[in-house]
Amino acid sequence: EPEVTQTPSHQVTQMGQEVILRCVPISNHLYFYWYRQILGQKVEFLVSFYNNEISEKSEIFDDQFSVERPDGSNFTLKIRSTKLEDSAMYFCASSEVGLAGEADTQYFGPGTRLTVL
Amino acid sequence: SQQGEEDPQALSIQEGENATMNCSYKTSINNLQWYRQNSGRGLVHLILIRSNEREKHSGRLRVTLDTSKKSSSLLITASRAADTASYFCSQGGSEKLVFGKGTKLTVNP
Repeated sequence: EPEVTQTPSHQVTQMGQEVILRCVPISNHLYFYWYRQILGQKVEFLVSFYNNEISEKSEIFDDQFSVERPDGSNFTLKIRSTKLEDSAMYFCASSEVGLAGEADTQYFGPGTRLTVL
Repeated sequence: SQQGEEDPQALSIQEGENATMNCSYKTSINNLQWYRQNSGRGLVHLILIRSNEREKHSGRLRVTLDTSKKSSSLLITASRAADTASYFCSQGGSEKLVFGKGTKLTVNP
């Protein structure tokens, strides 16, 4: 069964450094998402991406964050200057286009644990 | 998407018993989805029920939907220790999933 994959599984970085988290969505999916989960807290939506542009983003997704689909298979989340509070699990998800042209079921990757020191 | 409210917040049962979790929501829906999250891991999609469906089965899972009461329930039959996880509902129909605190299910061997 096709899966969403994410690399690395764990990333440790120094405060102020840039990080890029990588995701390979399921191949025929057209909607892509990033979520994060701070330890012990709820899973929070960050951003959705469709047709090569951001379709929705949350308040968390400020100017320090960006997303890109650099080729036909990868979807990346970049944090320009990491802060301590960016430490969290970051989940990528993807979905097909449903019958009504909207996003269908989202399938999640295993996550990247980001630790900012 | 709108957040669902799961109930109870925590549920502890013995292996072999059935587990029932409930979800209430506020606005009209196109569909409702249930997800599972094992501790510290990604979310696994369990089942999607559309607004014109009342009941849906998938293996040991049974989901019901009552649009008049704006509620859904997830029943796990013959539970196993591996079912220990947090369970979330979320309304579909748009792109963003919003997760509540979920129901934390513990299945004791």
